[in-house]
Amino acid sequence: DIQMTQSPSSLSASVGDRVTITCRASQDISSSLAWFQQKPGKAPTSLIYAASSLQSGVPSKFSGSGSGTDFTLTISSLQPEDFATYYCQQYNSYPLTFGQGTRLEIK
Amino acid sequence: EVQLVESGGGLVQPGGSLRLSCAASGFTFSSGWIHWVRQAPGKGPVSVSRMNSDGTSTSYADSVKGRFTISRDNAKNTLYLQMNSLRADDTAVYYCLKYIGGWTWGQGTLVTVSS
Repeated sequence: DIQMTQSPSSLSASVGDRVTITCRASQDISSSLAWFQQKPGKAPTSLIYAASSLQSGVPSKFSGSGSGTDFTLTISSLQPEDFATYYCQQYNSYPLTFGQGTRLEIK
Repeated sequence: EVQLVESGGGLVQPGGSLRLSCAASGFTFSSGWIHWVRQAPGKGPVSVSRMNSDGTSTSYADSVKGRFTISRDNAKNTLYLQMNSLRADDTAVYYCLKYIGGWTWGQGTLVTVSS
């Protein structure tokens, strides 16, 4: 199975900040990488697919980049509703595997 | 609008069975792979199973192989997960997922295995 390693595992930031989360795959996954957001007690909502394509309806403050093994999610101008847990997910091969999550907290 | 709606979760005793359903709408259900993923309390998601478009190919996580069976009814636009011999470590929220120009998740259904 492909291992996905996210960093940091938690992050404190202020409203208005720009933050970056990284995700590393244990082998080349091309651009088969998605990012999603999850709030407590809620289902995940997808943000990015194919490493850098914005899911329909997701604001452009979210952006993704990378290919191969190294990927980033950037969130610009943080708002209170952005404080949540973020996961990366590879879908280059089965099983789908997920990073351990990055908890974004208000400073 | 692409939509996935899971149902069938609940409280079940160890060794018991449950059948989950995932009702799909807003896309051609009979095309492509569709997945079950679960998320235990406080943990990240984990793949459980997947099935191809016509039901001829399936995959399972080692932890559920021989106990869980995935199936689909394309006439009813519904995916199923039959779960037998349930254990405490099967306790999780179960989601169905579909990739159509990005990933769509259902809202999930909670399965609790406890005596």
